[in-house]
Amino acid sequence: KAGVTQTPRYLIKTRGQQVTLSCSPISGHRSVSWYQQTPGQGLQFLFEYFSETQRNKGNFPGRFSGRQFSNSRSEMNVSTLELGDSALYLCASSFQDENTEAFFGQGTRLTVV
Amino acid sequence: AQRVTQPEKLLSVFKGAPVELKCNYSYSGSPELFWYVQYSRQRLQLLLRHISRESIKGFTADLNKGETSFHLKKPFAQEEDSAMYYCALSVRDNYGQNFVFGPGTRLSVLP
Repeated sequence: KAGVTQTPRYLIKTRGQQVTLSCSPISGHRSVSWYQQTPGQGLQFLFEYFSETQRNKGNFPGRFSGRQFSNSRSEMNVSTLELGDSALYLCASSFQDENTEAFFGQGTRLTVV
Repeated sequence: AQRVTQPEKLLSVFKGAPVELKCNYSYSGSPELFWYVQYSRQRLQLLLRHISRESIKGFTADLNKGETSFHLKKPFAQEEDSAMYYCALSVRDNYGQNFVFGPGTRLSVLP
């Protein structure tokens, strides 16, 4: 069974640009969540999608957005990039059953210069 | 508000020594707690969950609702246990689920 796949693995962008990250969940998983991981703030929840609908959102500015497609694949977009957006962005998928675990991808390391 | 704390950023022990990684949480609902581990250059992966009451790789964790704690323990640490450990609280509401992670504890097992 293939794991959660994130593309690209590494990305370098300049301030002011926008970026789109992609996540393919484990087959059969309908919930996809995104997290930002930085040395200073740790793992912070961005948003969760289920059946193409954003169900939950963390405390991030509107520059951070996402969507989910009918095949459960998800994309995350960050517009008007800032230096502080440099981080490892993790995607996780789950079945959404009671006490189900989340399976994480390898992440996309975004560097904003 | 939901919160997970891990007081130690770094914990160093010698091989064969007992290890305890502390985790405390605050949550008004019924808690679902997990320990995730991230080995060097590997993805974040589940180590264990409180509902299973299982032992994985010699690690155990007991949920203490009175002390709102979910400490991770292992009686005899091994060098391969060196990794970053995150305690996580699963938060569910009418809108869905998300995990609240603690800041993590880096465990270093010395030879």
